[in-house]
Amino acid sequence: AQKITQTQPGMFVQEKEAVTLDCTYDTSDPSYGLFWYKQPSSGEMIFLIYQGSYDQQNATEGRYSLNFQKARKSANLVISASQLGDSAMYFCAMREGPKGTYKYIFGTGTRLKVLA
Amino acid sequence: DVKVTQSSRYLVKRTGEKVFLECVQDMDHENMFWYRQDPGLGLRLIYFSYDVKMKEKGDIPEGYSVSREKKERFSLILESASTNQTSMYLCASGHSEDGYTFGSGTRLTVV
Repeated sequence: AQKITQTQPGMFVQEKEAVTLDCTYDTSDPSYGLFWYKQPSSGEMIFLIYQGSYDQQNATEGRYSLNFQKARKSANLVISASQLGDSAMYFCAMREGPKGTYKYIFGTGTRLKVLA
Repeated sequence: DVKVTQSSRYLVKRTGEKVFLECVQDMDHENMFWYRQDPGLGLRLIYFSYDVKMKEKGDIPEGYSVSREKKERFSLILESASTNQTSMYLCASGHSEDGYTFGSGTRLTVV
């Protein structure tokens, strides 16, 4: 069964508008972490934002925020004021496993295109 | 900044060849990982390692093996390359719970 689900293979957004990329997850661990990574066309994976399962507040990093809804098991990424440089592939990931022996499970990704 | 270096950016190999993909990190991390990335499938975990000489199978280990003789180096080995192993291979390293650092990837083509 898919542990990380990204249902949007591709998204378009107009420059300067906000966009939400969806991510749902499945785990029975009480302690886990959720991440978003950006992959531009150059191929490198860039860490964007992290949310721990016990964090009370939604994580924010500049124009990125993570809309964490624990009961719904969703961890959507919100990008505010989109820029042309935001065009990239975006991956949601979940950390699972005991401390010190973590592994990370990734979704299939969402390709975002920002339009001028 | 943590550096994770993958030895080759692009590689072309013939079917049946033994292929070594090398990954080196410079931050004394215990945990290292190999993923392959394919369109529509995201990143899939091949093997990972929590310490020197330790290895664990990920979700798709078939056709691959790994070696971790030194803490900083984690090698992925394709014993007999096949065309269905044509892919982007990503190495990652980390020791904390808040994410890890990726290398820039190796795009392998098996012909």
